Amino acid sequence: ETGVTQSPTHLIKTRGQQVTLRCSSQSGHNTVSWYQQALGQGPQFIFQYYREEENGRGNFPPRFSGLQFPNYSSELNVNALELDDSALYLCASNHRDYKGYEQFFGPGTRLTVL
Amino acid sequence: EDQVTQSPEALRLQEGESSSLNCSYTVSGLRGLFWYRQDPGKGPEFLFTLYSAGEEKEKERLKATLTKKESFLHITAPKPEDSATYLCAGSNSGYALNFGKGTSLLVTP
Repeated sequence: ETGVTQSPTHLIKTRGQQVTLRCSSQSGHNTVSWYQQALGQGPQFIFQYYREEENGRGNFPPRFSGLQFPNYSSELNVNALELDDSALYLCASNHRDYKGYEQFFGPGTRLTVL
Repeated sequence: EDQVTQSPEALRLQEGESSSLNCSYTVSGLRGLFWYRQDPGKGPEFLFTLYSAGEEKEKERLKATLTKKESFLHITAPKPEDSATYLCAGSNSGYALNFGKGTSLLVTP
């Protein structure tokens, strides 16, 4: 069974630029969620995708957007980067139709905005 | 407002010294209470899900319990390899996990 993978591992951008982060779900999972984790904080929910549509969204502005593809892989796009966007971005997957709601996380992408 | 609070923020234990981590939550319509372990620079690793008050789950030296207002993660005879940040999360939506800030655990030999 393949776990959740994310790319790239690290990324450095400058303020105002745009960034795309990628995620491959664990095999057999049909739902992907994205979280932002600032240093010393717990992860914060950005949004979730199910059947290629946004299924729920946390308190993040529209410049955070995403996509889910037919093979259940996903992208997180952030436009007009701000210094506060520097964080570990985590992707998590699960199978929505099972009883359990637990999500399984990838290793994350460390984004630094200068 | 839904909230998850973990205590203590940091805990230092000697190897073999048992203790408990606390997670108090105010999540209306809780659908699940989750525990994760996170090593530095890595993604959270799933440990347990608890669905109803009175439920308990165990894995090796860890035992998680749930009441109507809080959850405990009991660590029995910890080893240095148990050193990590332990995260607690609640969910009332079934899709968004609402995390606490975590408890940083250090177990010394």
